[in-house]
Amino acid sequence: RKEVEQDPGPFNVPEGATVAFNCTYSNSASQSFFWYRQDCRKEPKLLMSVYSSGNEDGRFTAQLNRASQYISLLIRDSKLSDSATYLCVVNGRSFQKLVFGTGTRLLVSP
Amino acid sequence: NAGVTQTPKFQVLKTGQSMTLQCAQDMNHEYMSWYRQDPGMGLRLIHYSVGAGITDQGEVPNGYNVSRSTTEDFPLRLLSAAPSQTSVYFCASGRGPGEKLFFGSGTQLSVL
Repeated sequence: RKEVEQDPGPFNVPEGATVAFNCTYSNSASQSFFWYRQDCRKEPKLLMSVYSSGNEDGRFTAQLNRASQYISLLIRDSKLSDSATYLCVVNGRSFQKLVFGTGTRLLVSP
Repeated sequence: NAGVTQTPKFQVLKTGQSMTLQCAQDMNHEYMSWYRQDPGMGLRLIHYSVGAGITDQGEVPNGYNVSRSTTEDFPLRLLSAAPSQTSVYFCASGRGPGEKLFFGSGTQLSVL
C-alpha cells in the first residue's frame, strides 16, 4: 500500500463551484499534514497545514480524520486561478521524511 | 527574500558524465532535502539532511551523493549520469523533520 494516495483527477468544475479532494495515508502515527499546490511543473508551494481540529484559510478548508486516516481539502467559490495540481503531504514511516502524494489535478473553467 | 536557490535551471548531460546540482537556503533551516519528480510518480525523496554533517538516504538514493558541510548548502552529485536520471529535481528546506518545506524553483535535467 502506498504511504499517501490521491485521486489523480482531473476534477473539472465551473467557476464558483465547490470542490473537495481527499487523500488517504497509511501511517496511523503520522503527525504532520500539509496541502501543497503545484502549477505546471513549477515548484510546489505550501497551501496550508492541516491541524487536528480542522482549519480554514479564506476559501480553503482542510480537515483531518485520524480514525479513517485521511485528510481533505475543500475549495469554495472556485476561481480560474485555482487550476493546479494539489499535493497531499504526510510524514511517513520515518518521521524525518515527508511523503508526497502524486497529486490531484483541478481544472476550473469559465 | 531569496529563500531556496537552485542552480542550474536546465542541464543536458551525456550518459556517464558527472555533475553537481547546487542548492542554498538563507532561512537558517536545519533540514534540507532533494526530491525528484517524474510523470505519474509524484515527488520522491532522494536524500535529506537534518543538520550540517548529517545526511541520510531517502526513497531513491542510488546514483546520487550528497554532503552537508554548512547549514546553508546541500549539493546533489550525480556520479555517472544515466538516462533513468532524466527528471525534474527540487531542493527543499524546513526548520526541522516533519515541518513544512520550502522549495527551490527546480532543475530540469536530461540525460542523453
